Amino acid sequence: DAKTTQPTSMDCAEGRAANLPCNHSTISGNEYVYWYRQIHSQGPQYIIHGLKNNETNEMASLIITEDRKSSTLILPHATLRDTAVYYCIVRVAMEYGNKLVFGAGTILRVKS
Amino acid sequence: DAGITQSPRHKVTETGTPVTLRCHQTENHRYMYWYRQDPGHGLRLIHYSYGVKDTDKGEVSDGYSVSRSKTEDFLLTLESATSSQTSVYFCAIRGERHDGSYEQYFGPGTRLTVT
Repeated sequence: DAKTTQPTSMDCAEGRAANLPCNHSTISGNEYVYWYRQIHSQGPQYIIHGLKNNETNEMASLIITEDRKSSTLILPHATLRDTAVYYCIVRVAMEYGNKLVFGAGTILRVKS
Repeated sequence: DAGITQSPRHKVTETGTPVTLRCHQTENHRYMYWYRQDPGHGLRLIHYSYGVKDTDKGEVSDGYSVSRSKTEDFLLTLESATSSQTSVYFCAIRGERHDGSYEQYFGPGTRLTVT
């Protein structure tokens, strides 16, 4: 399975953009990159996903490099409530359906 | 929250006892998943189901069994609990987004301690 590598932790000032990098150099051509976050001990929450093109939604933007070996999640205006563990995930195919392969994640601390 | 509930939310049990965790969904989703999460790690897939009576193993399935006798319930059983199975267990369903893509929605988790 493709693996992801993320920084263990990052800090960001409130109101500034948070840029979270992820390496997924072994990703296959048909495998999607997903981002989830987990606040305290709650269940992970979906943020965004993409295959080749950059994506944007109401929560974040996802920038994927042309060779697809890395990506960056951008939270444009971080707030204190964005403090969480952010997981960069590769979605891989199983015999029936797909599975999400989680890494250890990045602890993002947003500070006032 | 995609209508997912897990029960119990917390459980303490002794080594060697059987334990069953329940995941219940209200929206008729076909795919359901069981993950475990250990300190400092992301989630790891235990088993998943792609329909009633249709299940398959994930990456850490040893020591666990599952059953899905109806669409809304996916049960995870530890036949003989061990201390290494102390963990937080998350259930998930696969839901379709408004743009036709899929995402997994996660339940609130069950914290299991095996003493």
